[in-house]
Formats: sequence, C-alpha cells, structure tokens
Amino acid sequence: GENVEQHPSTLSVQEGDSAVIKCTYSDSASNYFPWYKQELGKRPQLIIDIRSNVGEKKDQRIAVTLNKTAKHFSLHITETQPEDSAVYFCAASSADKLIFGTGTRLQVFP
Amino acid sequence: ETGVTQTPRHLVMGMTNKKSLKCEQHLGHNAMYWYKQSAKKPLELMFVYSLEERVENNSVPSRFSPECPNSSHLFLHLHTLQPEDSALYLCASSQGPRLAGQGDTQYFGPGTRLTVL
Repeated sequence: GENVEQHPSTLSVQEGDSAVIKCTYSDSASNYFPWYKQELGKRPQLIIDIRSNVGEKKDQRIAVTLNKTAKHFSLHITETQPEDSAVYFCAASSADKLIFGTGTRLQVFP
Repeated sequence: ETGVTQTPRHLVMGMTNKKSLKCEQHLGHNAMYWYKQSAKKPLELMFVYSLEERVENNSVPSRFSPECPNSSHLFLHLHTLQPEDSALYLCASSQGPRLAGQGDTQYFGPGTRLTVL
C-alpha cells in the first residue's frame, strides 16, 4: 500500500533556531499535503497545507515546500518558541484518503 | 459546545465487554471519520462516512462496528476487543461531501483513550 515516511522522529532545538521536518510519499497521484500539530494530551490541529500546483506556502513562522518530482515535502518553522513543542504529523492524499507519517516530536528548549 | 466532541474521554474495558464511543460535531459538516492512534504508528483511518453513507472501511476487524445515524453523530461500537486494540480513538469531521483525501480540511475531536484489559 501507499505510505508516507517522516523524519526525524524526534527533534530538539534551542529557542529561536529553525526546525525542519521532512516527509516522503509513495503515491505519485498525491495532490494534497496537510501538516498537523498535536500538543500533549490534545487533538491534532491543521497548521498548514499545500496542494500540488504550488511549490511553497508560508504562514508567519511556518512554511511548507513541495517537490513533486522527488515526492518530498517539508515543514519549516523559523524562530521557534517553547509553545511550538508538540508532535507534528505530515500526510499525503491517496485514493481519497490521507496517509499519515509516524510523527516528529519537536522539543524547543528555552 | 463547539467543534468536535467525543465521549467518553477515557474507557477501560475487559475483552468480553461491549461499549460504544460517541462523536458529535457542531460544525455543520457532512463527512465524519474514525481514526486509531497507537504509539509510534501513523494515524490509521478506520471508517469514513459522507452524507451518512459509509464510503471507506479499511479492513477493520468486525469487532469494531460504526454507526452514523445523522450527519452530526458518529458512533463506534466495540465488542470482544483484544489488548492490542488499546489506543487513542480519534473522530474527525470535514465539510464534505468531498473527503479529507480530496483536500477537505479535517477537524479532530479530543479522542477517547481506550484500554482493553
């Protein structure tokens, strides 16, 4: 079946540094790529998404890039803050459903 | 109450019990989903309903039985579960009738933490 690989599984950064999380997908027909943030004990929440007709999208300190040829997409968080600490999930559309990555636990140290 | 709510938030059950998880969305959406979230595994889609019709069943064991009586409510009926079924069960909804995999934004509930003894 189709799958999404996500790396790294854990990421620790100093406050103010940047963080990058990478995902690779297998279905060449995928055209929608959301990212979710899940804080400890809370529900996943959509933070940004990108569609295949766009190469990059930004929303304040968060950006997502997509390379359809390589089937890679990445989440970039700049000027990280302690409240960015959470588990981040990527996902890729495949046959009308979303296939999720295994998640990245981001810790931002003050 | 706004958004997507789930009850109960925690559930402990024996392997011979029968219980139900409830999800309610207050967003006027037409599509609802059940996911299973286990440690160190990707979110697993279990069931999808769009306009109260089941449109996805991801080879889920028959001990899990979904029910969608209307577009605002979704149930997951559980019976004779196994310890490996212990997980966080997340409900989600989206505007519909197109689905999350077609680019429809999903809104998740807080989940039910299920422990099977």
